[in-house]
Amino acid sequence: AQSVAQPEDQVNVAEGNPLTVKCTYSVSGNPYLFWYVQYPNRGLQFLLKYITGDNLVKGSYGFEAEFNKSQTSFHLKKPSALVSDSALYFCAVRDNGGRRALTFGSGTRLQVQP
Amino acid sequence: DGGITQSPKYLFRKEGQNVTLSCEQNLNHDAMYWYRQDPGQGLRLIYYSQIVNDFQKGDIAEGYSVSREKKESFPLTVTSAQKNPTAFYLCASSNENSGTGELFFGEGSRLTVL
Repeated sequence: AQSVAQPEDQVNVAEGNPLTVKCTYSVSGNPYLFWYVQYPNRGLQFLLKYITGDNLVKGSYGFEAEFNKSQTSFHLKKPSALVSDSALYFCAVRDNGGRRALTFGSGTRLQVQP
Repeated sequence: DGGITQSPKYLFRKEGQNVTLSCEQNLNHDAMYWYRQDPGQGLRLIYYSQIVNDFQKGDIAEGYSVSREKKESFPLTVTSAQKNPTAFYLCASSNENSGTGELFFGEGSRLTVL
């Protein structure tokens, strides 16, 4: 069965500094990987995905993620954090079996301080 | 605008009562999903449906039921058998024809059992 680990419950960063939110995964076969963001009492918004191709994936709002197959990681990054980036971030991997649902990590709360 | 509509946004229920959460999509997606979100646990899959008149149990289906009589609709019933139903419930859909599998989420329904 596939799984996702987000080792940090919370990440704190100063506005203007680069940010990284970590994610590692376990899946049989080739991974389909995703990042979502959630604001309080809202649904999840899609940020970016890795299916195949370049290891650096660019997404919405200036976010990008780096796929590293040897380390089974898919870390989310942004060169310069904004206060408005403060939210809950989820990494997910798609089930390559029949059900095609996404398995989510436990989430990382990003706090950007002014 | 196309999207996923969940209702109600907030719902209170007495113990022993069944309650049904609505999920409607106008994205013409074949697949639909229900997830449950609890603090610190990420999202867990309750049920999913890849086609009309067919649905499958996810990882935490006990105490829940669904139906998929129309492509646009995937209601979730939280029954009195669900031991701890207070949670944030998220409905999602995906376009399986596109092959990349990202999920589109509704805004969620928060259920509180009194």
